[in-house]
Amino acid sequence: DQQVKQNSPSLSVQEGRISILNCDYTNSMFDYFLWYKKYPAEGPTFLISISSIKDKNEDGRFTVFLNKSAKHLSLHIVPSQPGDSAVYFCAATGETSGSRLTFGEGTQLTVNP
Amino acid sequence: GAGVSQSPSNKVTEKGKDVELRCDPISGHTALYWYRQSLGQGLEFLIYFQGNSAPDKSGLPSDRFSAERTGGSVSTLTIQRTQQEDSAVYLCASRGPNNSPLHFGNGTRLTVT
Repeated sequence: DQQVKQNSPSLSVQEGRISILNCDYTNSMFDYFLWYKKYPAEGPTFLISISSIKDKNEDGRFTVFLNKSAKHLSLHIVPSQPGDSAVYFCAATGETSGSRLTFGEGTQLTVNP
Repeated sequence: GAGVSQSPSNKVTEKGKDVELRCDPISGHTALYWYRQSLGQGLEFLIYFQGNSAPDKSGLPSDRFSAERTGGSVSTLTIQRTQQEDSAVYLCASRGPNNSPLHFGNGTRLTVT
């Protein structure tokens, strides 16, 4: 039962353009969402998060949008840079999750110079 | 170093052997998690420790898997009688207070031949 899904295994964009990574969830009890970035041979690193009481959170070039009715969130990176090339994981948690995060399968982003 | 440290970084073992994976969390972090990432998959929750509370073992895939956390700090994940399907990257993460984000180590890549 995949409660967090990232349907695009890969995404390729040109440097300077916008990258949009998508994530869908099924568990309506999730109320806190995070994005992690992972480079090869390294552990995931926290990027940005959003609480269900908000629909947008922005941090520099990164913005996360949450659509609760659609159970959908997205990460926008603008402008995209070659150093942003990595695997991006969406994660979610909520009261019924204890303190564990449920992760999606990840999307490999490649930003071409 | 101030990050989460995992050892070994790589482990190759024969099917049927036992392995131990070690995690040193960030000093002062009371919460410790083990996840694993199989090839082409997302991060799968295994087990969670919080302070002196009983661990949440709900993610352990079989009774061949066990984990300990001694003295509220270092954790060891043990896999007995390894099988080829146990091959994965095993990631440890720790978390500080107030629902701060998880900080991951670089993982142990386990290959069972």
